[in-house]
Amino acid sequence: EDQVTQSPEALRLQEGESSSLNCSYTVSGLRGLFWYRQDPGKGPEFLFTLYSAGEEKEKERLKATLTKKESFLHITAPKPEDSATYLCAVQAGSNYQLIWGAGTKLIIKP
Amino acid sequence: DTEVTQTPKHLVMGMTNKKSLKCEQHMGHRAMYWYKQKAKKPPELMFVYSYEKLSINESVPSRFSPECPNSSLLNLHLHALQPEDSALYLCASSQDGTGTPEFFGSGTRLTVV
Repeated sequence: EDQVTQSPEALRLQEGESSSLNCSYTVSGLRGLFWYRQDPGKGPEFLFTLYSAGEEKEKERLKATLTKKESFLHITAPKPEDSATYLCAVQAGSNYQLIWGAGTKLIIKP
Repeated sequence: DTEVTQTPKHLVMGMTNKKSLKCEQHMGHRAMYWYKQKAKKPPELMFVYSYEKLSINESVPSRFSPECPNSSLLNLHLHALQPEDSALYLCASSQDGTGTPEFFGSGTRLTVV
């Protein structure tokens, strides 16, 4: 069964303390892996799409990477405004529906 | 304009009521989606309109019915809902029908009493 697992469930960091969020997946025929950010009471905000192992994408303090089994979202020198829930989703095989992870809640303390 | 606009933002309805949620986008996107999201859970896909063709998640009960009057508008009609249907209902759109939502609205917070 296709599955997406995110870890940790929650992560508390001090402002400026870099870290990584993990999204591991077991699917047949990866077509794309997607990262979203979601603030409380809002809809998710699309961040990145990764299609193949070795691919990397960057946006401000965020960098997403992809291997054949997992993706990492690296956060460099985070600020309090980076606090949010980060969601990972995968599209696989002939099914165009996204398979979502449960998310990582990131809290950056000033 | 890179916005997906949802109305109302909040809705409280009784189990015998009929109500509708509205979603609008003016980005020329050809696919629009309805998602349901419970607290601390990821979004669950309910319906997709892609190039005016409807795709349904088979697990969605018939008390939810989508309507797509035109390529910019998407409604979700609600009838005889249950308290467990209380959730954040999100609309999203994408340029094509690949199944990857690009822009989400802020959602309608629905409470069924």
